[in-house]
Amino acid sequence: DAKTTQPNSMESNEEEPVHLPCNHSTISGTDYIHWYRQLPSQGPEYVIHGLTSNVNNRMASLAIAEDRKSSTLILHRATLRDAAVYYCILRAAEHYGGATNKLIFGTGTLLAVQP
Amino acid sequence: DSGVTQTPKHLITATGQRVTLRCSPRSGDLSVYWYQQSLDQGLQFLIQYYNGEERAKGNILERFSAQQFPDLHSELNLSSLELGDSALYFCASSEKAAGSGNTIYFGEGSWLTVV
Repeated sequence: DAKTTQPNSMESNEEEPVHLPCNHSTISGTDYIHWYRQLPSQGPEYVIHGLTSNVNNRMASLAIAEDRKSSTLILHRATLRDAAVYYCILRAAEHYGGATNKLIFGTGTLLAVQP
Repeated sequence: DSGVTQTPKHLITATGQRVTLRCSPRSGDLSVYWYQQSLDQGLQFLIQYYNGEERAKGNILERFSAQQFPDLHSELNLSSLELGDSALYFCASSEKAAGSGNTIYFGEGSWLTVV
């Protein structure tokens, strides 16, 4: 599985945008970029994913570099509830016949949000 | 609420004992994953089942085993427990075995303490 590199921790102020970077220089052409987050004492939670184009959903935006070797998760207005560990994960493309699509978690970025 | 149900939520047992953790996936999800999260190891993928068949194996010890039943619920059996097995065990489910774009939903975890 291709590896991702994230900062160990970041801080943000409430109601300000947050940009969480992820480097994945060994990404293959068919790897999807997924972001999950884990709030304290909870299971991981899906945030967003993308392949090549930037993506937006109600939780966040995902900006993918043109060479796909890095990406940035953008929280437009951080709230205290966004304090969590954010994981950037590469998932191999689907293979005919049902190959596994397990998630391999790294250490993630611990985001602290200050009021 | 992710729709993935895990029981028990908390379990305390002695070294050498055997426990069974149970997981009910989201309605309609065929794929089940098990993860272990300890303080020093982070989130580790253990094993994946798809529609009753083992699909992928991760860092699962020989003392651990799992199965997925015809009604799609899954059990993780942990035997000859050691202090180091104390961890949070997560179950997750997704609609298909493969599909790098589909979402994996996590339960709230079963916290195992071995004393």
